[in-house]
Amino acid sequence: GENVEQHPSTLSVQEGDSAVIKCTYSDSASNYFPWYKQELGKGPQLIIDIRSNVGEKKDQRIAVTLNKTAKHFSLHITETQPEDSAVYFCAASTRGFNFGNEKLTFGTGTRLTIIP
Amino acid sequence: DADVTQTPRNRITKTGKRIMLECSQTKGHDRMYWYRQDPGLGLRLIYYSFDVKDINKGEISDGYSVSRQAQAKFSLSLESAIPNQTALYFCATSDPGQGHNYGYTFGSGTRLTVV
Repeated sequence: GENVEQHPSTLSVQEGDSAVIKCTYSDSASNYFPWYKQELGKGPQLIIDIRSNVGEKKDQRIAVTLNKTAKHFSLHITETQPEDSAVYFCAASTRGFNFGNEKLTFGTGTRLTIIP
Repeated sequence: DADVTQTPRNRITKTGKRIMLECSQTKGHDRMYWYRQDPGLGLRLIYYSFDVKDINKGEISDGYSVSRQAQAKFSLSLESAIPNQTALYFCATSDPGQGHNYGYTFGSGTRLTVV
């Protein structure tokens, strides 16, 4: 099955600096790569995603890049703010018998702390 | 009201007891999932269901069972709870049929402690 590795497990950056979280996946058939943000006491929430036919996607201060050849993808947060402090999870979808994105395999999470 | 509601939010139970965690959704999604979150291990899939008549085991289904009572309801049971089932449990829904939005909607979680 799919295996997703995520690094680093913790990350502290000064407010205003950029943060980068990296993930690798094992299944070359995976074609969907979302990122989730989990705030304290809440469930994970989708913040951005990318499909395998795209190399980069951007949404305001957040961007995701995908390298299919190397099987890795990254989350980039620019101009970090205190409200960016949270746990971030990457994930990859495995293609099932009907080729849908049936279930996600998650990375182990990165605790991001923004230092004021 | 939340799109995905989990009850209870917190539960402490004793070893050997049977416990049920409940999940209901108003998204109208066919697909529902139960994940378990442990520090350093991320989110691991316990069971998932693509419709009312479909139940599938995830990567860590041992010691758990599920019931899909209706499209909107998916419950997780621990038949005989053990301490290493202490974790944060999340229910999620998805509907890949909705265009290109394949994202999951998660509930707020149930923190279960087995003593």
